[in-house]
Amino acid sequence: DAGVTQSPTHLIKTRGQHVTLRCSPISGHKSVSWYQQVLGQGPQFIFQYYEKEERGRGNFPDRFSARQFPNYSSELNVNALLLGDSALYLCASTYGTVNNSPLHFGNGTRLTVT
Amino acid sequence: DAKTTQPTSMDCAEGRAANLPCNHSTISGNEYVYWYRQIHSQGPQYIIHGLKNNETNEMASLIITEDRKSSTLILPHATLRDTAVYYCIVSAATNFGNEKLTFGTGTRLTIIP
Repeated sequence: DAGVTQSPTHLIKTRGQHVTLRCSPISGHKSVSWYQQVLGQGPQFIFQYYEKEERGRGNFPDRFSARQFPNYSSELNVNALLLGDSALYLCASTYGTVNNSPLHFGNGTRLTVT
Repeated sequence: DAKTTQPTSMDCAEGRAANLPCNHSTISGNEYVYWYRQIHSQGPQYIIHGLKNNETNEMASLIITEDRKSSTLILPHATLRDTAVYYCIVSAATNFGNEKLTFGTGTRLTIIP
């Protein structure tokens, strides 16, 4: 079975630009979450979406937004990019209706802002 | 979610059992212990989780103390491919699963040939 897939794998952007990252969850999973991982640190929670609704949000500015589509895939959007947004962006999926169902992560999109 | 404390780094000889400790002294009754690992340049990989009973799967065993204030992840026969950063996370289940995980800096496990 296919795991969580993310695209693109790598991306280089300039300060002030906008970026869209995409994620397809594991088949049957209805919940998608986004994490940011800065070099040398553990992943940090950004958003969680379930059934197209935002169910949780981490401590990130409004420049970060996301949405989930009817097929449960998701997009993460970041506006007005800053150098500090350079990171590995991880998408994770889970069933969303089963307590303590573990997250399954994709291999991420490496974003470099110059 | 309760905080966890892990050693920064550990070494283990190939073929031996790797025992990774985690302290979570402020864990609540409804919080699970999760273990993930991250191999360089990849996303975190789920290993195992438990509430209060010991758990075993094809990857590892999880031993949780009776007071639930600490746990140990055991990789029974470590291989070079087990070299990774291992994260111990404590999190309560919600109606929508367990999406908001708080990662620390983990334990960097190096398997030595």
